[in-house]
Amino acid sequence: GAVVSQHPSRVICKSGTSVKIECRSLDFQATTMFWYRQFPKQSLMLMATSNEGSKATYEQGVEKDKFLINHASLTLSTLTVTSAHPEDSSFYICSARVLGQGASYEQYFGPGTRLTVT
Amino acid sequence: GEDVEQSLFLSVREGDSSVINCTYTDSSSTYLYWYKQEPGAGLQLLTYIFSNMDMKQDQRLTVLLNKKDKHLSLRIADTQTGDSAIYFCAESRNQGGKLIFGQGTELSVKP
Repeated sequence: GAVVSQHPSRVICKSGTSVKIECRSLDFQATTMFWYRQFPKQSLMLMATSNEGSKATYEQGVEKDKFLINHASLTLSTLTVTSAHPEDSSFYICSARVLGQGASYEQYFGPGTRLTVT
Repeated sequence: GEDVEQSLFLSVREGDSSVINCTYTDSSSTYLYWYKQEPGAGLQLLTYIFSNMDMKQDQRLTVLLNKKDKHLSLRIADTQTGDSAIYFCAESRNQGGKLIFGQGTELSVKP
């Protein structure tokens, strides 16, 4: 099946620094990837849609200058949290869209990255 | 607006059936999904159903859709301790498009 990886799985950084999270599709190409944020015991909230070779589309209320997304290749999208603050601490999950069997699109999720800002 | 609601907790005994319920508000929802999340992990797609279907069964999983009431359910037959996880209901208007998730239902299976 389609496998999506994220790196790192956990990161602790100091307030004011920037952190980059990678999302890779390992055995398929994905022109579209999604970035979600999940708070403890809560649902996933879509942050942005990442499209290969073009600018990401951000959801309302998500600061595009703070959460930089780059989708430079068909297998890699990165999310950079700039000038991180403790309130940015969260679980960040990416997904990659792939055309599955029966010509239907499916989303496969990465394992998530736990960010803690101290 | 788009909203998806789920009850937060469900506890069952091993071997029993589990039924997890979900309601949604978007009448334009075309695809409805069930995902499973184990602690500290990402989401695993369990199954999905198109809005023109009433029921879909896949091994121990049965999905029922009542489009009139905008109600979706996931039934897990012969629930095992390994089924303990958080189950998310999600909907989208477009196949492979933006997903709107419910809050998740934490399923606890007791031996």
